[in-house]
Amino acid sequence: NAGVTQTPKFQVLKTGQSMTLQCAQDMNHNSMYWYRQDPGMGLRLIYYSASEGTTDKGEVPNGYNVSRLNKREFSLRLESAAPSQTSVYFCASGSTPSSNQPQHFGDGTRLSIL
Amino acid sequence: DQQVKQNSPSLSVQEGRISILNCDYTNSMFDYFLWYKKYPAEGPTFLISISSIKDKNEDGRFTVFLNKSAKHLSLHIVPSQPGDSAVYFCAASEPGTYKYIFGTGTRLKVLA
Repeated sequence: NAGVTQTPKFQVLKTGQSMTLQCAQDMNHNSMYWYRQDPGMGLRLIYYSASEGTTDKGEVPNGYNVSRLNKREFSLRLESAAPSQTSVYFCASGSTPSSNQPQHFGDGTRLSIL
Repeated sequence: DQQVKQNSPSLSVQEGRISILNCDYTNSMFDYFLWYKKYPAEGPTFLISISSIKDKNEDGRFTVFLNKSAKHLSLHIVPSQPGDSAVYFCAASEPGTYKYIFGTGTRLKVLA
């Protein structure tokens, strides 16, 4: 029962390096999400994909790009990492909003940028 | 502008007693509310939800209350158990949107 799987679990980067965070879900969900969690800030939405082939900005999209590779996979890319992007990144998947079904989260990627 | 607020960063409760976690919101358009529980080094896990057409939803030891006039949401855990020690996030969404707005979390510690 994998649910939402994120890779890698940990990563350390130097400022200016690029990195792609991977996410895959096996729940046949249409929508997928990327959040970041910072101390005292809760979870903030970076980007989301309502369905395969569509992506939209969330609350904090600057410095990130996303790709909805297929229905199962949604990746997050940092083109030129900055120390302000040090955070824990969570991927989630869900149904359509009208279903009032909750989003399901992966276990996160802990990213440190030096 | 924080639309969902959890004003208590932490809460300690004795095992067997009631835990009450609070959440306030400012956006009257929110119609779906959720509570997630998060253990260290894990992702948030869905706990319970409520839509705005209800004022109470119960699932075992967990009950969520919604007071729309006060724009206030609370989670009651009865009886509290040491395994309930975690960070609890409330979240809210508007009709037809994919976006959840999360509060900053409350760390619950249940003392044995």
